Amino acid sequence: EADIYQTPRYLVIGTGKKITLECSQTMGHDKMYWYQQDPGMELHLIHYSYGVNSTEKGDLSSESTVSRIRTEHFPLTLESARPSHTSQYLCATSWTGSRGYGYTFGSGTRLTVV
Amino acid sequence: LAKTTQPISMDSYEGQEVNITCSHNNIATNDYITWYQQFPSQGPRFIIQGYKTKVTNEVASLFIPADRKSSTLSLPRVSLSDTAVYYCLVGDGDDMRFGAGTRLTVKP
Repeated sequence: EADIYQTPRYLVIGTGKKITLECSQTMGHDKMYWYQQDPGMELHLIHYSYGVNSTEKGDLSSESTVSRIRTEHFPLTLESARPSHTSQYLCATSWTGSRGYGYTFGSGTRLTVV
Repeated sequence: LAKTTQPISMDSYEGQEVNITCSHNNIATNDYITWYQQFPSQGPRFIIQGYKTKVTNEVASLFIPADRKSSTLSLPRVSLSDTAVYYCLVGDGDDMRFGAGTRLTVKP
């Protein structure tokens, strides 16, 4: 029943390669987020978007970049991957309404840079 | 943005009721209290949300006292599969930040 999709699920690449992590959602939500999480550690917000053509940096300094050309698509790009980029990357959307609000996460991409 | 404080870790045994308390002394009038569950290698999953008093669903109960400065997530009769990290979020939808959470370990 996932409405937010991340690909690839796992990725092993060499140092210096350019990579793009894909995130797509079918819920029509305006707000989208990228988090980085090392095993057993906290979630760190690295990028977010309030809608098309809106992108902001989060709390954790990241060498990645994002774009938001379409509501449903929020890809994350690393121009030159390094071993320090090895981590899990989680994409999420948020919704708000009269009953409250919430976040929906994708399954994540586990990136290993060798 | 209301800051939250919750225990770093908790241990329990199968079949027990587990209560995880979150403190949020500077909660604002428009803030909701939401709890998420995260298993290893997965994204957090929404469990329950409330504004005041008590909320119950098929998974958990959420108790919120009148002053709303704290909340307690109650998991009835936990099983091994409830071992996870539980996050307490307080905000009006613009918070985005999940904190360290409480690592619950359920033992046989």
